[in-house]
Amino acid sequence: EAGVAQSPRYKIIEKRQSVAFWCNPISGHATLYWYQQILGQGPKLLIQFQNNGVVDDSQLPKDRFSAERLKGVDSTLKIQPAKLEDSAVYLCASSLLDRENEKLFFGSGTQLSVL
Amino acid sequence: QQQVKQSPQSLIVQKGGISIINCAYENTAFDYFPWYQQFPGKGPALLIAIRPDVSEKKEGRFTISFNKSAKQFSLHIMDSQPGDSATYFCAASMDYGQNFVFGPGTRLSVLP
Repeated sequence: EAGVAQSPRYKIIEKRQSVAFWCNPISGHATLYWYQQILGQGPKLLIQFQNNGVVDDSQLPKDRFSAERLKGVDSTLKIQPAKLEDSAVYLCASSLLDRENEKLFFGSGTQLSVL
Repeated sequence: QQQVKQSPQSLIVQKGGISIINCAYENTAFDYFPWYQQFPGKGPALLIAIRPDVSEKKEGRFTISFNKSAKQFSLHIMDSQPGDSATYFCAASMDYGQNFVFGPGTRLSVLP
């Protein structure tokens, strides 16, 4: 079974530039999450999709971050404009999310450095 | 109320010893409590999980102990091995994966 695919693996940009991350979840997984993981901290939920609808985006800084999941499969997360404090690993996770299986499968993440 | 607190921040254990990591939560609506293991450069991976209707769950060398009244749960790693050296996150969620929150993590080092 193929895992969650994320790209790019690394990205270095200057502040005020824009950046986009891509995620391809495991086939058949209806639920998709984007997490931000700052060095030395736990993952922080940014947005949760169920199919192509947003379930929770309460912690997404909507003035600069946006995300979409077209056709309920792939997803992109965009930051525009980036700030220094956005330097982090951006993790995508997917799940079947039924009562018997709430396991999240994570990709390896995109490490963003904002200079 | 959505937070999960975790301790210790770091832990050093000798090979063969027992590693214990503790977590606490406030929101009684949480009904699923997993532990994730993360190696450098990788995403977290599920290690073991428990629901509040049981007080303990064991899978191999890994055991979760759950205290519903105290709103606490812990991970015990028996016979710790150098390959267990990683960062461990407790987490909690409700209603089939809603409000999936993670603790701040514990960095475990197992000395050979």
